[in-house]
Amino acid sequence: GAGVSQTPSNKVTEKGKYVELRCDPISGHTALYWYRQSLGQGPEFLIYFQGTGAADDSGLPNDRFFAVRPEGSVSTLKIQRTERGDSAVYLCASSPDGGAGTDTQYFGPGTRLTVL
Amino acid sequence: ELKVEQNPLFLSMQEGKNYTIYCNYSTTSDRLYWYRQDPGKSLESLFVLLSNGAVKQEGRLMASLDTKARLSTLHITAAVHDLSATYFCATYTRSAGKSTFGDGTTLTVKP
Repeated sequence: GAGVSQTPSNKVTEKGKYVELRCDPISGHTALYWYRQSLGQGPEFLIYFQGTGAADDSGLPNDRFFAVRPEGSVSTLKIQRTERGDSAVYLCASSPDGGAGTDTQYFGPGTRLTVL
Repeated sequence: ELKVEQNPLFLSMQEGKNYTIYCNYSTTSDRLYWYRQDPGKSLESLFVLLSNGAVKQEGRLMASLDTKARLSTLHITAAVHDLSATYFCATYTRSAGKSTFGDGTTLTVKP
């Protein structure tokens, strides 16, 4: 079966530009998470969706970052006015039902964002 | 602020040897995860530990949890080269759906 997919796999942009990163979770998973991973560090939580709503967006670093999940499946992470410090690998994960049971998170391959 | 600290951050060991990776966390967590990450790849879930005293084993890896000490360990038995990877522990707060990761332990197993 298909796992979590993310597109694009690599994105190079210039400082100040707008980018969108897409995540397709495993079918039927209600919980979806975005993380950011810088080189040599562990993933850093950004936002958590339960269905269509953002249950916790406390990890978004500032108002340049925004994420949506309008139909409760695909999610898009949007970054405005990109800065060089935004360069990182952006990981998406999904789980069957956030908060219940063991709730293993299944991670996608990530999008490597480079801001020049 | 919840902090998760792993040690060591880098570990080089010979095949056949045993070693333990430690994961300390600063506040109460609903569960504790261990993940593996190969270079350039995403994270693979290894274990989830739900309660005090929980122990899980898979092959040469065994994870345990002591919630009173806020400590989890990942023990490697008779290491083999295929175990070379970066291992992360992560806490999980159910109410917020938030995971907090350690910085990872990069393990290199040498012949």
